[in-house]
Amino acid sequence: DAKTTQPPSMDCAEGRAANLPCNHSTISGNEYVYWYRQIHSQGPQYIIHGLKNNETNEMASLIITEDRKSSTLILPHATLRDTAVYYCARGIYNQGGKLIFGQGTELSVKP
Amino acid sequence: DGGITQSPKYLFRKEGQNVTLSCEQNLNHDAMYWYRQDPGQGLRLIYYSQIVNDFQKGDIAEGYSVSREKKESFPLTVTSAQKNPTAFYLCASSISQETQYFGPGTRLLVL
Repeated sequence: DAKTTQPPSMDCAEGRAANLPCNHSTISGNEYVYWYRQIHSQGPQYIIHGLKNNETNEMASLIITEDRKSSTLILPHATLRDTAVYYCARGIYNQGGKLIFGQGTELSVKP
Repeated sequence: DGGITQSPKYLFRKEGQNVTLSCEQNLNHDAMYWYRQDPGQGLRLIYYSQIVNDFQKGDIAEGYSVSREKKESFPLTVTSAQKNPTAFYLCASSISQETQYFGPGTRLLVL
């Protein structure tokens, strides 16, 4: 069974960069990598996605390795409000948009 | 104000009872999805629909049913056949098969 794996928890100091890894070693060529975050008891919030190239938006950067077997979400200057569970997911555009989620990383940003 | 709404926020089910969770969107999105989230777990796909009057089973469809009579609405029924229904249920929608956006969720509890 293809899996998307993430570390269960990470800490980060406020103002520092948070680097969240995701392993998707069995990803297929047409699957995108998506990142969402979820604050307790709320719906997941979309952050960023990419296929092969690195991507950046106002929230974060996404670095995908050349072999596409892993990726890293970077929050450049973490704040206390970034404390949440971060999910990595794989999705294929032409198969109904189904997303396969990892177990999530609980990020704690500390002052 | 555009978005995805789910109701109720909390729902209680008695043994042998069917319950229906509501999901409505005014984003004019074609595709809608239902996910289940158990404590400390990632999201798992129950059902999805790409167009009105059509839907497909996801990875854990047993014990659930859906309908898609209107573009804006995608209700999920948790039937008595679902033996372990206690979970957080999340609805999402997307334009065609692009990025999915999530609603606030419904927490289902068994009495």
